[in-house]
Amino acid sequence: QQQVKQSPQSLIVQKGGISIINCAYENTAFDYFPWYQQFPGKGPALLIAIRPDVSEKKEGRFTISFNKSAKQFSLHIMDSQPGDSATYFCAASISGATNKLIFGTGTLLAVQP
Amino acid sequence: NAGVTQTPKFQVLKTGQSMTLQCAQDMNHEYMSWYRQDPGMGLRLIHYSVGAGITDQGEVPNGYNVSRSTTEDFPLRLLSAAPSQTSVYFCASSPRGQTSYNEQFFGPGTRLTVL
Repeated sequence: QQQVKQSPQSLIVQKGGISIINCAYENTAFDYFPWYQQFPGKGPALLIAIRPDVSEKKEGRFTISFNKSAKQFSLHIMDSQPGDSATYFCAASISGATNKLIFGTGTLLAVQP
Repeated sequence: NAGVTQTPKFQVLKTGQSMTLQCAQDMNHEYMSWYRQDPGMGLRLIHYSVGAGITDQGEVPNGYNVSRSTTEDFPLRLLSAAPSQTSVYFCASSPRGQTSYNEQFFGPGTRLTVL
């Protein structure tokens, strides 16, 4: 059972365009939603994260939008650049003693010059 | 700081062989985890540890053992490798805080092929 569903599986965007990746979750106990970025041959690295007490968080060209009632959150990449080409994973966890992350299946983003 | 290091980077095993994937971190993090990454499956948690001497199972623990004798090291053991364990394995660590809002730092991964 996939607790965090991510779409699309792959995405092609022109340079300067907006990239949008969506995630949905089932468990209402999740209270931390990070996005990780992974370049080929590297480990994932934290990009941006949000808690459910806010509906939006922006860091530079990257924005997370969070809809608690719909149990959905999304990553928006504004002015997409070729250097943004990577695999993006959404994730969710429950605060507590374990710090376990449940990941989505990933989105391969290609930004064409 | 070297961060999270993993060895080896690549490994080929035959079915039934055993091996240990090494993971070490120099950030004095209490939490450490092992994930496997497969195409279309994302990252799935194998085992995790909340401190030295404490380990627990994740989503896909079968076929893997772990131990945590020190804060720095968290090895993953495959006792009898199977082709289904062909994957890229990532180790991660994070500091302990008041909540789970703590960044996990990932190692560079080990690409394992089981023939």
